[in-house]
Amino acid sequence: SQTIHQWPATLVQPVGSPLSLECTVEGTSNPNLYWYRQAAGRGLQLLFYSVGIGQISSEVPQNLSASRPQDRQFILSSKKLLLSDSGFYLCAWSVQTYEQYFGPGTRLTVT
Amino acid sequence: QQQVKQSPQSLIVQKGGISIINCAYENTAFDYFPWYQQFPGKGPALLIAIRPDVSEKKEGRFTISFNKSAKQFSLHIMDSQPGDSATYFCAARRGGSYIPTFGRGTSLIVHP
Repeated sequence: SQTIHQWPATLVQPVGSPLSLECTVEGTSNPNLYWYRQAAGRGLQLLFYSVGIGQISSEVPQNLSASRPQDRQFILSSKKLLLSDSGFYLCAWSVQTYEQYFGPGTRLTVT
Repeated sequence: QQQVKQSPQSLIVQKGGISIINCAYENTAFDYFPWYQQFPGKGPALLIAIRPDVSEKKEGRFTISFNKSAKQFSLHIMDSQPGDSATYFCAARRGGSYIPTFGRGTSLIVHP
């Protein structure tokens, strides 16, 4: 069966510090991978998606970036965090155009 | 432009009652409509999904009703339980697209 991991589960970072969130998927090959952000009490905002290694599509302009160094690994990064980057970050995967499955999420608080 | 409108934003139901969440879409190219359930501090989980060739799909206490002509679909939770308290998201996806369009979510509270 397929599983998706995210780490860390929670993170508190000062403004201006760098960020690296990691997501890995097990049990499938060549998945589509997605990064979403969810502000407190709000909906799901798609940040990035990838249909293959090295292929990243950005949905919103911001100080975040994403990379996919391996088939089942997706990384979300920032060089300098802003207060507005606080939120719940969710990684998701799908096979082709079928259902999306979400990871457990990372709670990021920028102080 | 919000392509999937979800209502209500919040809903309070007594235990044993029926919870109803509605979604409306604009893009007639959408051909897949999933619902997700999210508990606090957790990632959303796929709950139930429907395609427009059927008008209703039922899984246990959860039912999706779909009205293609009105471009609306809804989630009904029968015999609502406190354990159903969560945020529910509807979504719609166009055929061939990797990206679903999500509604803004409904926070459901079921009182014991």
